[in-house]
Amino acid sequence: NAGVTQTPKFQVLKTGQSMTLQCAQDMNHNSMYWYRQDPGMGLRLIYYSASEGTTDKGEVPNGYNVSRLNKREFSLRLESAAPSQTSVYFCASSEGQLSGANVLTFGAGSRLTVL
Amino acid sequence: AQRVTQPEKLLSVFKGAPVELKCNYSYSGSPELFWYVQYSRQRLQLLLRHISRESIKGFTADLNKGETSFHLKKPFAQEEDSAMYYCALSGPLTYKYIFGTGTRLKVLA
Repeated sequence: NAGVTQTPKFQVLKTGQSMTLQCAQDMNHNSMYWYRQDPGMGLRLIYYSASEGTTDKGEVPNGYNVSRLNKREFSLRLESAAPSQTSVYFCASSEGQLSGANVLTFGAGSRLTVL
Repeated sequence: AQRVTQPEKLLSVFKGAPVELKCNYSYSGSPELFWYVQYSRQRLQLLLRHISRESIKGFTADLNKGETSFHLKKPFAQEEDSAMYYCALSGPLTYKYIFGTGTRLKVLA
């Protein structure tokens, strides 16, 4: 099983360029998440999608947009990249049941550098 | 507001020594608490969750609602425990999932 797959694994952008990070899961999970990981700041939630057709802002949504394309896919777009968006980005998914303790399954991460 | 605080960025202990990684949280209601671990060159993965009351790889964590804490403990550290540990919080009525800033554990030989 692939689990959660992110592409690309590495990307270098110039300031002002745009790009989309792709994420797909094959576990039939309802909820999907995008986090960024920065030294000393841990994992911060950018956006999440509780279920297909819905998206909500997390802690640090500015400068990002997301699309829940279908149940499997959740993409993160940087419209005009800034050096402050240099980070490692993680996609995650969970069953998304309100009644239980949802466990996150993570992708391998995407390292983005903005020059 | 939901918040998870891990006060230690780095914790170094000798092999065989006890380990305690601290986690405090802020949440209105009944939280669901988790510990995730990231070993070198591996994906972030669940270590344990309070609802299961389990011991994984010798680690345990008790939810203390009075002190709003969920500290991770192990009586005898092993070198393979060296990793980045994140405490995380969610809730029964939300899909939001918040992480702390993480603690890097180094177990010295």
